[in-house]
Amino acid sequence: NAGVMQNPRHLVRRRGQEARLRCSPMKGHSHVYWYRQLPEEGLKFMVYLQKENIIDESGMPKERFSAEFPKEGPSILRIQQVVRGDSAAYFCASSVTGDSGNTIYFGEGSWLTVV
Amino acid sequence: AQSVTQLDSHVSVSEGTPVLLRCNYSSSYSPSLFWYVQHPNKGLQLLLKYTSAATLVKGINGFEAEFKKSETSFHLTKPSAHMSDAAEYFCVVSVPSSNTGKLIFGQGTTLQVKP
Repeated sequence: NAGVMQNPRHLVRRRGQEARLRCSPMKGHSHVYWYRQLPEEGLKFMVYLQKENIIDESGMPKERFSAEFPKEGPSILRIQQVVRGDSAAYFCASSVTGDSGNTIYFGEGSWLTVV
Repeated sequence: AQSVTQLDSHVSVSEGTPVLLRCNYSSSYSPSLFWYVQHPNKGLQLLLKYTSAATLVKGINGFEAEFKKSETSFHLTKPSAHMSDAAEYFCVVSVPSSNTGKLIFGQGTTLQVKP
């Protein structure tokens, strides 16, 4: 049973380019979360999605960032016109339900470097 | 509002000695609490979780944590440190409202294990 799969694991983008990060949740999981980890910091919640729905995007920057979880295929976190401050590790997680005590499983992360 | 404070940013122990990583939480509701471990450039692995059952929670790799409501604490312990325990540890509280499964992370504690 594969875990949460993220790709690419490492991505380098020049300022102004677009970054697309993909996440396939664990089998049987329909709830997906994206978290961002800046250097020397803990993870910060960005967005929570179910299939074809954004449930909570309270942690998403207002501009340039978007996320989707289509009916078919992986969840995508898209960052347009990247800047140096976007350099971070982006973690996807998934769970069976959205209940607060439910175990959330994390992927190994996608490290974005903006040069 | 929910929050979590990890009292030590860095802990250093000798191999074979006990480990104590301290965590205090703040929650308006009965919280769900977790400890995750992150090895360098890796994803997060769940060590253990508390969800209002037994207050002493046993996790993987010999770790355990005790939920103390009177002290609002959820400290992580291990009787004998192993070199492979060297990693970053995060205390995490789940936000129970709205069933979003959103997690609030502490700042992390770096555990160093000396031979």
